[in-house]
Amino acid sequence: GQQVMQIPQYQHVQEGEDFTTYCNSSTTLSNIQWYKQRPGGHPVFLIQLVKSGEVKKQKRLTFQFGEAKKNSSLHITATQTTDVGTYFCAGPGYGQNFVFGPGTRLSVLP
Amino acid sequence: SAVISQKPSRDICQRGTSLTIQCQVDSQVTMMFWYRQQPGQSLTLIATANQGSEATYESGFVIDKFPISRPNLTFSTLTVSNMSPEDSSIYLCSVEGRGTDTQYFGPGTRLTVL
Repeated sequence: GQQVMQIPQYQHVQEGEDFTTYCNSSTTLSNIQWYKQRPGGHPVFLIQLVKSGEVKKQKRLTFQFGEAKKNSSLHITATQTTDVGTYFCAGPGYGQNFVFGPGTRLSVLP
Repeated sequence: SAVISQKPSRDICQRGTSLTIQCQVDSQVTMMFWYRQQPGQSLTLIATANQGSEATYESGFVIDKFPISRPNLTFSTLTVSNMSPEDSSIYLCSVEGRGTDTQYFGPGTRLTVL
């Protein structure tokens, strides 16, 4: 079945440093989504990428969809303590299923 | 985006009992989804609930253990039956964004089974 992997599993950064998480799918995706889950909270939708090679920005966050539509990345510039949380990528599976990656847990040291 | 509420927000239950979790959405939606998130883990889809039809369960989840109701377009319930400590998890309902296949999640129900 379809698998979605993410690396790294954990990342500890000093406030102000950059952070990147990578997402890889075993199959080509029609689109990829990114979610953020704060500690104790629920996943919140960040963005959806649809086109091959697409790049989207949200303030300090840059999202990229690979040319082959099998991988994606999320890059945060100059992290802040408010960026703490787990970042999940997700893609459509078969039928109405959604497949979530295992997530990257980011901690930011002040 | 939809506003989603869940009840209860958390519960502690005894082994062998059942708990019904409610999910209410502020707008009519075709499909509602139920996920499980075990501590420190990712989200696993339990089932998809369409109004007026039987829920569709993912591999590893069965109706006898996780019966779902979907009586109308704004409400659904998930029951965790005959609970064991392995059922301790966060249970989340979600809906699709209108015109997209992105997901909007409720706040979740944190279940602890003793």
